[in-house]
Amino acid sequence: DQQVKQNSPSLSVQEGRISILNCDYTNSMFDYFLWYKKYPAEGPTFLISISSIKDKNEDGRFTVFLNKSAKHLSLHIVPSQPGDSAVYFCAASARETSGSRLTFGEGTQLTVNP
Amino acid sequence: DTGVSQDPRHKITKRGQNVTFRCDPISEHNRLYWYRQTLGQGPEFLTYFQNEAQLEKSRLLSDRFSAERPKGSFSTLEIQRTEQGDSAMYLCASRHRILDEQFFGPGTRLTVL
Repeated sequence: DQQVKQNSPSLSVQEGRISILNCDYTNSMFDYFLWYKKYPAEGPTFLISISSIKDKNEDGRFTVFLNKSAKHLSLHIVPSQPGDSAVYFCAASARETSGSRLTFGEGTQLTVNP
Repeated sequence: DTGVSQDPRHKITKRGQNVTFRCDPISEHNRLYWYRQTLGQGPEFLTYFQNEAQLEKSRLLSDRFSAERPKGSFSTLEIQRTEQGDSAMYLCASRHRILDEQFFGPGTRLTVL
């Protein structure tokens, strides 16, 4: 039962353009969503998060959008830079019922070409 | 460096041996989580502690796995009688009591031969 899904295993964009990474979830108890970036042989690095009471959160080049009715969220990176090349994981938690343990998607490999 | 640290970074062992990993969380963080990540997958939750109390364990955590956080600071994860299927990256994360974000350590890569 994959409660968090990232349907695109990979994404390739040109430097300076927008990167859009997508994530879908099925558990309606999820109320907090996070995006992590991961380089090989390192742990995930926290990027940005959003609570279910919001539909948008922005931090510099990174913006996360949440569509609760569609159970869908997306991460926008603009402008994309070669250093953004990494695996991006979407994660979700149900803070009141599960101790805030995170459920992750499978990840999307982003490649930003110079 | 005040981030989450894990030791060792890499461990190679033979099937049937016991291994123990250590995690040191960020100092004011009262919650500590263990996850496991296999190739091509996202991290999967194993267990978590609030202070020294282990509050939840995943069904992924078989009887061969045990975790402790005796003084509410560092934590250890032990795997007894390792199997080849235990080969994975073991990740530790910590979280402050009033914040929602979890911060991860660099992980311990376990290879069981």
